[in-house]
Amino acid sequence: QITLKESGPTIVKPTQTLTLTCTFSGFSLTTSDVGVGWIRQPPGKALEWLALIYWNDNKYYSPSLKSRLTITKDNSKNQVVLTVTNMDPVDTATYYCTHRVLYDTAFDYWGQGALVTVSS
Amino acid sequence: SSELTQDPAVSVALGQTVRITCQGDSLRSYYAGWYQQKPGQAPVLVLFGKNTRPSGSPDRFSGSSSGNTASLTITGAQAEDEADYYCNSRDSGGILYVFGTGTKVTVL
Repeated sequence: QITLKESGPTIVKPTQTLTLTCTFSGFSLTTSDVGVGWIRQPPGKALEWLALIYWNDNKYYSPSLKSRLTITKDNSKNQVVLTVTNMDPVDTATYYCTHRVLYDTAFDYWGQGALVTVSS
Repeated sequence: SSELTQDPAVSVALGQTVRITCQGDSLRSYYAGWYQQKPGQAPVLVLFGKNTRPSGSPDRFSGSSSGNTASLTITGAQAEDEADYYCNSRDSGGILYVFGTGTKVTVL
């Protein structure tokens, strides 16, 4: 059974760096074609794909946020970490950690989501 | 900005059929995934690939694709199908991922 869970601060100040951790179980990020992604959703708005890291450590980022995002993995801990620098109130959103369907474009397992508010 | 466009809202009478569309150039080359999201909940994948339903997804959900448009059809819509629906796929370059703008489905 695949599960993912996001953890991190619920509130950050403008200009601070956000660090979110995704702890997962039921699969390994050392298995071929496995990918873990981050997706966010501002209140009342659409889903936005942010980043994805593959089993081979290849990393991909949303072009609009690429300069501010870093995604890393720790295979020994079954964790994926996303950092977002220079946070702004417009970054207020629920951040989801997701498992990508093998050899496909969809995301079949999602964490419960972590609401992050950017406010001074 | 999203490279996948959806109609903002559609409505369907209880028990009838509704089609939700997703348009984007990348859909000529890649399949779409479809997600149902109810208020306060994480999205749930209901369809992906050529026309594959994950375990637990009702068989009233089906998919199709033609040209730059992917469609999710709900045949015999139920009250519990009232939700926001999102598509996703690759970007035009085929490496990155994108989500659609979302469609709110109301069951009358």
